[in-house]
Amino acid sequence: QVQLQESGPGLVKASQTLSLTCTVSSGSLNNGSYFWSWIRQHPGKGLEWIGYILYIGSTYYNPALKSRVTMSIDRSKSQFSLKLTSVTAADAAMYFCARLISGDYFDLWGQGALVTVSS
Amino acid sequence: QSVLTQPPSVSGAPGQRVTISCTGSSSNIGAGFDVYWYQQFPGTAPKLLISGNNNRPSGVPDRFSGSKSGSSASLAITGLQAEDEADYYCQSYDSSLLLFGGGTRLTVL
Repeated sequence: QVQLQESGPGLVKASQTLSLTCTVSSGSLNNGSYFWSWIRQHPGKGLEWIGYILYIGSTYYNPALKSRVTMSIDRSKSQFSLKLTSVTAADAAMYFCARLISGDYFDLWGQGALVTVSS
Repeated sequence: QSVLTQPPSVSGAPGQRVTISCTGSSSNIGAGFDVYWYQQFPGTAPKLLISGNNNRPSGVPDRFSGSKSGSSASLAITGLQAEDEADYYCQSYDSSLLLFGGGTRLTVL
């Protein structure tokens, strides 16, 4: 059964770069129908889609975050990653990685990684 | 303010039927994009509840159903159970942007 697991620092200093990795276990990233995604959820708030990356490395980002977001993929390690630059307190949130099916819906989610931003 | 508007909260007694609305516009739901629904318990990741407007993934009870009409969609839960108390989110597309509704907290009285 395919599982997703986020990892990375839980504390990031303001103005620095947030880096998270999602490891996909028991499954391959090499499927053109899977769009490997990041979503975040601010405390007590709703869900915000950050972007996705395909197994060939193509990316699509939420325009609201596009200038600060970079996603990458390492198929040999079954991992994909998120980098968010110049973080502020507004970037403190739970970050989820998820599998987006054919660009339509999210069928698998990681458990989430809580990121706090310190001043 | 989400482009997809959901009521912040709904409630119902055990056994009752509740509906959660998701109101969009002509550029998202009204443009023909499918609507998906997710259930989220506190401290956990969302779980797909309804796909493609009214398709239940394996394991989702048939008490849950979805519908879409015009620029709006609805999630209906019949035979409400205490275990249904959770947050519910709709999701669709708008201008190639994946969107979520603001979420609805369901309270079972």
